[in-house]
Amino acid sequence: QSALTQTPSASGSPGQSVIISCTGTISDLGTYDSVSWYQCHPGKAPRLIIYEVNKRPSGVPDRFSGSKSGNTASLTVSGLQAEDEGDYYCSSYAGRDNLIFGGGTKLTVL
Amino acid sequence: QLLESGGGVVHPGTSVRVSCVASGFPVISHGMHWIRQAPGKGLEWVAGLWARGSKTSYADSVRGRFTIYRDESKNSVYLQMNNVRHEDTAVYYCGRDLNSWSLLLDFWGQETLVTVSS
Repeated sequence: QSALTQTPSASGSPGQSVIISCTGTISDLGTYDSVSWYQCHPGKAPRLIIYEVNKRPSGVPDRFSGSKSGNTASLTVSGLQAEDEGDYYCSSYAGRDNLIFGGGTKLTVL
Repeated sequence: QLLESGGGVVHPGTSVRVSCVASGFPVISHGMHWIRQAPGKGLEWVAGLWARGSKTSYADSVRGRFTIYRDESKNSVYLQMNNVRHEDTAVYYCGRDLNSWSLLLDFWGQETLVTVSS
């Protein structure tokens, strides 16, 4: 299975909104509503922030939201804060009990 | 908490086992996974183990070489890596499935580094 496609970088100023996209194929994002998003900070374990397209685990601020249209999923971070800076990865079920990730997007808060 | 160990420098074609000790929950009650990140690359799901049974699934890149299994008595999950290749060089994370098998990883360990080098 090929990895999902993410733009390598995104940026925004504090208080602004940023959208990070994740593109797959009909075999993964196009078929399954199982897209998730993970936030990674250097030296820390990755954190699940969105699952099943737009659900947030307990404790994740509602500044993080997700959506999906066709083969593309999006993560929106509203009201950017300095602590949002980090790497963000999308993932999707890809059939045959396999999971695939995107290449990651480095979010910079200016 | 998930605590990985067992990484190190290994030669191509040899074997290494990475371990993940869980605390705060029984590993039998959740699916468990291994994910890796090669230097400068993104995350790659490697293997998963269903809760309560022995059903497993592997990425194409490691199928036939890697084996994931658990030891309930040690509340641990392992990844046995055989016939390793240079491209297996990565930090390896242990991840807990939200359910028995949802492929949603709600808790991750820190990491352990495996370097395959001649």
